[in-house]
Amino acid sequence: QQQVKQSPQSLIVQKGGISIINCAYENTAFDYFPWYQQFPGKGPALLIAIRPDVSEKKEGRFTISFNKSAKQFSLHIMDSQPGDSATYFCAASYVSGTYKYIFGTGTRLKVLA
Amino acid sequence: GAGVSQTPSNKVTEKGKYVELRCDPISGHTALYWYRQSLGQGPEFLIYFQGTGAADDSGLPNDRFFAVRPEGSVSTLKIQRTERGDSAVYLCASSKGDRGQTQYFGPGTRLLVL
Repeated sequence: QQQVKQSPQSLIVQKGGISIINCAYENTAFDYFPWYQQFPGKGPALLIAIRPDVSEKKEGRFTISFNKSAKQFSLHIMDSQPGDSATYFCAASYVSGTYKYIFGTGTRLKVLA
Repeated sequence: GAGVSQTPSNKVTEKGKYVELRCDPISGHTALYWYRQSLGQGPEFLIYFQGTGAADDSGLPNDRFFAVRPEGSVSTLKIQRTERGDSAVYLCASSKGDRGQTQYFGPGTRLLVL
């Protein structure tokens, strides 16, 4: 299966809180898992990405946790800020040829001031 | 500019008309992708170019859609006999072309078919 399932569809978090977005996949051939942030009227911008040979990757306030056996990965945004309010997409790609991304359906995050 | 650029930013057309959407990738990027993003959805893959050739066009929905990249840089997505269901944001992305390289997205072209 090529789908990447993403949840929740929307999320409201207080300033300073932790935002958690989850994704699950079926195709074990996927080997690259990026997260993108998209503001209204803009194109998606890469936040952070992980390969399945590591279980966690952290960049600043953003952390990806990866569970290969469960075929799940998640994005954690620590100390969430109003400027983080955007739509977040997980994606997956695999090495067999084209490196095209299969995107999740997105999570609309709103961080309350 | 340093990023991926797309023109026009907005396009309004009538059902049945022909449209062309242009993408200028980041200089030196050999890989170019087109995606389509419907309202409230994630981007969906349309076509991938490595250099001048379409290496994977499996995402094109039907034969009304066609894309070219004649000199390995600028790409044009062409839609014939547009339908209302073609209304979406068309995103272009480019990368260095190697496995796992980041895809950098442009701002998209918002197409509205009346």
